[in-house]
Parts: sequence; structure tokens; C-alpha cells
Amino acid sequence: DVQLLESGGGLVQSGGSLRLSCVASGFSFNNYVVTWVRQAPGRGLEWVSLIDGSGGTKYYADSVKGRFTISRDNSKNTLYLQMNSLRAEDTAIYYCGREDYCSGTSCYHVEYWGQGTLVTVSS
Amino acid sequence: QSALTQPASVSGSPGQSITISCTGTSSDVGGYNFVSWYQQHPGKAPKLMIYYVSNRPSGVSDRFSGSKSGNTASLTISGLQAEDEADYYCSSYTSSDTLVFGTGTRVTVL
Repeated sequence: DVQLLESGGGLVQSGGSLRLSCVASGFSFNNYVVTWVRQAPGRGLEWVSLIDGSGGTKYYADSVKGRFTISRDNSKNTLYLQMNSLRAEDTAIYYCGREDYCSGTSCYHVEYWGQGTLVTVSS
Repeated sequence: QSALTQPASVSGSPGQSITISCTGTSSDVGGYNFVSWYQQHPGKAPKLMIYYVSNRPSGVSDRFSGSKSGNTASLTISGLQAEDEADYYCSSYTSSDTLVFGTGTRVTVL
């Protein structure tokens, strides 16, 4: 079974940093595009970033560009999100997701989701 | 990267059909067939219901169907059931090499 397990969330002060991890299992991690999506409390979904299987292609939402960095370690089946210069508006549950298989490129839809990790930025 | 526009709420009685709209622009919904729909129950992770405008993943009921016309995509739920009560989000690829979600629609089964 495909499983995605996020960790690394917590309480951080405005301007601080945090690194999220997402450990994947049940599939060939290096063959899939993986993504981060967040959801502020009581609000809708917001796409954050995605990375292709090799780690060579990365896309970011404008709201996090220059502050967040997505990366992956295929030897550890792990996806990361390094978050710097955090703001109150970054407070959210962060979900990692695995896309459908599209021969190494993005299909632009998330087939499997983790349960999320909560990031709270205090001002 | 403005969110796609969805109605805040849609309701229907059991057995009825409802349709949720998702309006974007020619730079996202209207320009590509990378439109997907997600269902989210309270406190749960989203679940993929439709991808590539009208395709259903394995295991998703055929009561769920998707379509697109111009800059507006739609999700139709037929034979509405109590378990369909949830939030629904559309999503689309954009010309900026990003993804954008819709504002979300709360479906209530009366």
C-alpha cells in the first residue's frame, strides 16, 4: 500500500525556519512526482510546490517562491520542504502528495495524500 | 495565481443530482485538460475524484462525473448520498507552470 508520512511541523516564531519531511513507502519513489499542498485552518487548499522524480524540475507557488525549497532524497524515499522566513500566513496543515505515474513528468493531480503536519507561525 | 472560483455551497436531497462549477481563465482551466477534483471530509486528507477533466480513478463511484466548457469546469454528483456531504475542490495546471486550487464548495445533503 502507498503510504506517505509527514513530520517536522510545530510552532515557530515569525521569521524562523522549519524543515518538513515526508517518508514514502509502497511504491518506487524515484519514479514519481511529489508535491506539497497546504491548508490554513478553516480555509481551502493551496498548492505549494512540486518536484519531479529526479529532483531536477521544481515548481513553486508565488506565495512561497524564494522562501521555501523543495528537495528529495531518493535513497531515503523522503521528500523535504525547507521553509525559511516564515510568516503568520504560512500557518497551515502541510500535506505531501504523490502524483499519478506520468513517465517522469507531472500529471498535475495528486493520487495519494499523507495525513498532514501542522505548522504554526506565531507573530 | 488567483484561486479558481467555485460556489461556496451547494445542496441537494438524497437521490438528486448537483453540479459544482469551477471558473478560471484561458491560462488555466480553459487552456489545458489538467483539471482535477478532490473531495475532503472534515479532518481528513483530500481524495482525488476526477482527473484530466473527466476521468475517474479506480474505486471512485460512477456517480461522480466531470466536464469542461471554455474556462469553466464542472463536477456532477448524481444520486446524491449522505456520504457525499463534504468539501469539494477543483484544481488546474496554469501557464505559469504552477497548480491552482478552487475556492472550495461545501456540499450539503438535505
